[in-house]
Amino acid sequence: DQQVKQNSPSLSVQEGRISILNCDYTNSMFDYFLWYKKYPAEGPTFLISISSIKDKNEDGRFTVFLNKSAKHLSLHIVPSQPGDSAVYFCAALNNNAGNMLTFGGGTRLMVKP
Amino acid sequence: DTGVSQDPRHKITKRGQNVTFRCDPISEHNRLYWYRQTLGQGPEFLTYFQNEAQLEKSRLLSDRFSAERPKGSFSTLEIQRTEQGDSAMYLCASSFDRASNYGYTFGSGTRLTVV
Repeated sequence: DQQVKQNSPSLSVQEGRISILNCDYTNSMFDYFLWYKKYPAEGPTFLISISSIKDKNEDGRFTVFLNKSAKHLSLHIVPSQPGDSAVYFCAALNNNAGNMLTFGGGTRLMVKP
Repeated sequence: DTGVSQDPRHKITKRGQNVTFRCDPISEHNRLYWYRQTLGQGPEFLTYFQNEAQLEKSRLLSDRFSAERPKGSFSTLEIQRTEQGDSAMYLCASSFDRASNYGYTFGSGTRLTVV
C-alpha cells in the first residue's frame, strides 16, 4: 500500500522556467509534508515542509502547495537553476505514528542551461 | 558536529556473510532512524530509537535484520546471512523529539552490494 506517490519519475525544464513537482497521498492522518532533495551518493537533504493545517509555504525560490481535499501537494521552483537538478522526494510524517517518514518514489528533475 | 556520519560508505560482501553498519547521529538529537533505499524507490523506514530504546522494529525486513543503540549515541545495523536482495543504500537519520516540520537530518548512507 503506497501511501505517498509521485507519479512522474522524471521532469525536464529549461533554466529560468518554473519546475512543478507533484505528490499524492492517501493517509489523512499525516501532520506534515516535506520535500527532500537528493544528489547521487548523498543522503536526502531537507528542502521545505508544510503543516497539514496550511495550504502554502514559501522559502525563497521554493513554494509548496497543499490541497487537502484532493490529498495532493506540489513543489514549485522558480526560477529553476541547473544546480536544482537532482531527485526530489515527497515525504509525509505522522507525529502519532512514531515520527517515521513515508516517502514517495521520487522525481528526477533535470534543469537544462 | 558535522552532521550524521555513516560508516562504511560502501560495502561489498559475499552472499551468506554478516555485515554491520555504524551510524553516528547529531549529538543533540535523541531520535535515530534507519531507512533502506533501493534503486528507483524512495527510502523505506526500517526502525527507530528514542535514546537507547528501540520504539519501532516491526518494519525490519526480516529476522536477519537487527539494530542496536546501546548507549543512546551511535547505532549499528546488522544484517545476518546476507542475500542478493539486501543490496541497497542504508540510510541513517537523526532528529529531536517530534521532528515536525523540520524532518530529519540524513547521513550519506552505506551502499551494500551482495555478490
